[in-house]
Amino acid sequence: GAVVSQHPSRVICKSGTSVKIECRSLDFQATTMFWYRQFPKQSLMLMATSNEGSKATYEQGVEKDKFLINHASLTLSTLTVTSAHPEDSSFYICSARGRGATNEKLFFGSGTQLSVL
Amino acid sequence: GENVEQHPSTLSVQEGDSAVIKCTYSDSASNYFPWYKQELGKRPQLIIDIRSNVGEKKDQRIAVTLNKTAKHFSLHITETQPEDSAVYFCAASSNFGNEKLTFGTGTRLTIIP
Repeated sequence: GAVVSQHPSRVICKSGTSVKIECRSLDFQATTMFWYRQFPKQSLMLMATSNEGSKATYEQGVEKDKFLINHASLTLSTLTVTSAHPEDSSFYICSARGRGATNEKLFFGSGTQLSVL
Repeated sequence: GENVEQHPSTLSVQEGDSAVIKCTYSDSASNYFPWYKQELGKRPQLIIDIRSNVGEKKDQRIAVTLNKTAKHFSLHITETQPEDSAVYFCAASSNFGNEKLTFGTGTRLTIIP
């Protein structure tokens, strides 16, 4: 099946710093990328949807200036958590949907555990 | 928007027995329903999915049933094995998956050896 690579898998940062998470589709063109946030023992909450070459669409309650999403190419999307605070600590996971045979199927990255001190 | 409810939140079954997880959805426009298995700290893995033009789909020990009228769908795992222990999420989407997925709250399944 299709592969989505997400880096880093784990990051610890100081409060006030910014963290960038990358999500790459390795063997297909990801026309749409989704970014989710997951708290321990909870479900995946959609943060935003990004289509290649256009601005991301954010879910209600998600600050677009805090969670910057860039989907500059068909294989790469990034999520930058700006001025991170302890309450931003969470598991962030991307997913991608592609063209052709991969349409309709969603492929997940391996997730990034963010810990803000 | 879509709202997906999932029950039970935790489920323990003896190895070899069957497990059933149920979900309901609110948006009648939803027509694609995948199920994901997630192990601790790992990515969700698609295990089976169903489209609204089908009432049931089976893949070896796993089956999914869909009742469009009642707006509910269920995951059935037969002959459970210890490696089936994980958190399972149902989800719903419209436009046959081309729209965003709304996830259920998850079911922690524990298989007792």
